[in-house]
Amino acid sequence: QQQVKQSPQSLIVQKGGISIINCAYENTAFDYFPWYQQFPGKGPALLIAIRPDVSEKKEGRFTISFNKSAKQFSLHIMDSQPGDSATYFCAAARETSGSRLTFGEGTQLTVNP
Amino acid sequence: EAGVAQSPRYKIIEKRQSVAFWCNPISGHATLYWYQQILGQGPKLLIQFQNNGVVDDSQLPKDRFSAERLKGVDSTLKIQPAKLEDSAVYLCASSLLAGTGVVDEQYFGPGTRLTVT
Repeated sequence: QQQVKQSPQSLIVQKGGISIINCAYENTAFDYFPWYQQFPGKGPALLIAIRPDVSEKKEGRFTISFNKSAKQFSLHIMDSQPGDSATYFCAAARETSGSRLTFGEGTQLTVNP
Repeated sequence: EAGVAQSPRYKIIEKRQSVAFWCNPISGHATLYWYQQILGQGPKLLIQFQNNGVVDDSQLPKDRFSAERLKGVDSTLKIQPAKLEDSAVYLCASSLLAGTGVVDEQYFGPGTRLTVT
């Protein structure tokens, strides 16, 4: 009930391409869905987050798409750049539990120049 | 604004030894978290403090792990005795707000990489 499953495990795209990472959750009580970006040797940093009252949220080149009925959400990176090469984690939380996050397994993204 | 500070950055110990990690959160942040990140996995919450009280330690292996938050500011995480499976990066994070009903952005430190041999 608390798991968040993420795919793919690794992803290679060309510069300028679209990167898509998917996550699925089981617990219908989750109501906050952030994406974190992590570079080697650094801690994760919040990239973008969505709540289930909207189906899409866009910030610059990053977009979250959310499908409540399917219990799935995805991160789209448009015009991918080599500087986007990092590990991306989806996560989920229940507002009533404060900020306790359940993370997915991570996707290692490589953007080739 | 200074970020979350952690030390040491790296630690190598033998199994059955003890180890301690230190975290200094962002000034004024009420909530502090310790996560364990095993290679190739996402971070897993070990313990969450609000000010100097424990909010959630349900995933902390209490037979060997302990944590405290001194005066609601700095925190230490201790492992005693360490096992091979404790090899991981230990991340500290902090967030500004306290109390339930709010999901607040967490700011992560760089982590301490622990290797148990």
